[in-house]
Amino acid sequence: DVQVTQSPSVMSASVGDRVTITCRASRDIRNELAWFQQKSGKVPKCLIYAASNLQSGVPSRFSGSAAGTEFTLTISSLQPEDFATYYCLQHNDHSWTFGRGTKVDIK
Amino acid sequence: QVQLRESGPGLVEPSATLSLTCSVSGAFVNSNRLYWGWIRQSPGKGLEYIGTFFNSASIYSNPSLRSRATMSIDTSKNQFSLEMTSVTAADTAVYYCATQNWNLEENYWGQGILVTVSS
Repeated sequence: DVQVTQSPSVMSASVGDRVTITCRASRDIRNELAWFQQKSGKVPKCLIYAASNLQSGVPSRFSGSAAGTEFTLTISSLQPEDFATYYCLQHNDHSWTFGRGTKVDIK
Repeated sequence: QVQLRESGPGLVEPSATLSLTCSVSGAFVNSNRLYWGWIRQSPGKGLEYIGTFFNSASIYSNPSLRSRATMSIDTSKNQFSLEMTSVTAADTAVYYCATQNWNLEENYWGQGILVTVSS
């Protein structure tokens, strides 16, 4: 199965900061990676699909990019409602695995 | 709008079988466009994919759960189910059912159901 390594596991940031979260796949998964946001006690919400496509209704401060097997979620200017845990999900071939998550908390 | 709702017992005894059902509206479980699956999240932990099926056939099951987890569909009721045998406290989690299209542009989750394994 494809392994995904997500980093960092925790990050402290301030409102207005630029935040970058990375997932690295153990092999080529093309662009078959999505990013989810989960707030405490809530259902995960898909922000980005196919590595770089913004889901409808998601603010444009969120963006995704890919370079080979490295995928990045960027929040250009962190807002108070963005403090949450973020997960990547790779769904290549017959292998579906989440990253371990990145908790973004208040500095 | 696709909606999913998990149902089943909230408490299961150790070594018993956990059985959950996902009821679907707004789409058909035998669709050849949508993937259907189960995900769980242990308290305070991350998300774990249990398994996925497509076009009525299983296409992925988590290797660590494969021997204990079985998914099935009931097209007459437009539902799909999860059975997990020989549960332990480590299987205590919120269980979500979800559906998505091939690239996750369409992505829908149930509200989740907390299942506690305890005597």
